[in-house]
Amino acid sequence: EIVMTQSPATLSVSPGERATLSCRASQSVGTNLAWYQQKPGQAPRLLIYGASTRATGIPARFSGRGSGTEFTLTISSLQSEDFGVYYCQQYNDWPPLTFGQGTKLEIK
Amino acid sequence: QVTLRESGPALVKPTQTLTLTCTFSGFSLSSNGMCVNWIRQPPGKALEWLALIDWVDGKYYSPSLRTRLSISKDTSKNQVVLTMANMDPVDTGTYFCARIRRERDSGGHYSYYFDSWGQGTLVTVSS
Repeated sequence: EIVMTQSPATLSVSPGERATLSCRASQSVGTNLAWYQQKPGQAPRLLIYGASTRATGIPARFSGRGSGTEFTLTISSLQSEDFGVYYCQQYNDWPPLTFGQGTKLEIK
Repeated sequence: QVTLRESGPALVKPTQTLTLTCTFSGFSLSSNGMCVNWIRQPPGKALEWLALIDWVDGKYYSPSLRTRLSISKDTSKNQVVLTMANMDPVDTGTYFCARIRRERDSGGHYSYYFDSWGQGTLVTVSS
């Protein structure tokens, strides 16, 4: 099973600043990685797939990069609505499809 | 517009079998590449994938829960059913269904990410 590890666990960023979230895979997943945003009481929302392709309707301030075992999600200029928990998910080798443990993004 | 909605009991007793139904619209599970999944989330914890059923009735399970899970579909009703046997309090959480639209990317690899989700249903396991 591929284990996904996200860091940091919690990130506090002021509006307008850049936020960078990290995701590491226990073995190479190529670019077969997705990112999701989840707000309290809601289902996750797809942000990024293929490590760097924004999903439909996702603002350009969200960007993903990386390949192999190291990935980042960057929010270039944080908006107040960007708070929530962010998860990465690999789909290179499954079952199982696996998620990271999440990074909680707080607005400072 | 793709929508998914989970339904089932809010409370089950330990050792009982949980049955959840995902009712969807906006796509057909008989169309090439379509898959429906179950994913769960204990309170305050991370997401855990449970099972997938695809358009040709292929069924895939989390290895750690395989002996307790069964997934099936009724294409005519646009429904997917998950059963989980021998429920335990640690199985308490929100259960989501989510769609995968399997596509081949530029590198020739098939994509298995979740592009649409239901709102989830909270299941509590308690006597």
